[in-house]
Amino acid sequence: EAGVTQFPSHSVIEKGQTVTLRCDPISGHDNLYWYRRVMGKEIKFLLHFVKESKQDESGMPNNRFLAERTGGTYSTLKVQPAELEDSGVYFCASSQGAPAVETQYFGPGTRLLVL
Amino acid sequence: GNSVTQMEGPVTLSEEAFLTINCTYTATGYPSLFWYVQYPGEGLQLLLKATKADDKGSNKGFEATYRKETTSFHLEKGSVQVSDSAVYFCALRGRSASKIIFGSGTRLSIRP
Repeated sequence: EAGVTQFPSHSVIEKGQTVTLRCDPISGHDNLYWYRRVMGKEIKFLLHFVKESKQDESGMPNNRFLAERTGGTYSTLKVQPAELEDSGVYFCASSQGAPAVETQYFGPGTRLLVL
Repeated sequence: GNSVTQMEGPVTLSEEAFLTINCTYTATGYPSLFWYVQYPGEGLQLLLKATKADDKGSNKGFEATYRKETTSFHLEKGSVQVSDSAVYFCALRGRSASKIIFGSGTRLSIRP
């Protein structure tokens, strides 16, 4: 069974540009999460989808970040316009069943560098 | 709010040494506790977990015990290997929550 995949693995962009990150969850997983690790600090929650609906987006830092999950399969996270402080590693995770109980499986992350 | 504090790294040990990575937490109620590991070039993997007080999680020779009285979940291994070199994250999830709250990570390097 394929794990969570993320694309691209690395992205280098200039301040003010737009970047879109993609996450493909494990097939059949209704729950999809985005997290990020900025500047080698702790990994922080961004948001949680259940199928195509945003269940919790309390961690989204500001309105420059837009997450979508059309059709309840893969998800995209767009940053527009990117700022220097957005640099970090963006992780996606998925799970099946009760979100408060089931194990979240993480992808390898997308390393974003904003210059 | 809920938070996790873990030992700052990097930690460098010789092969076969004993490992402890300290982790303490602040949370209301009875959270679930986790250790995740990120090997070089890979994603986060769940290493072990414990869901209630006094539970011991174990995997790959690693152990951690959920200590409610000291709000701790320290990671231990009796004899580390070079292949254990990775970044280790302590984490918690509230009893009825979906999001995981992570510590800042501890980089572990094992010398042959």
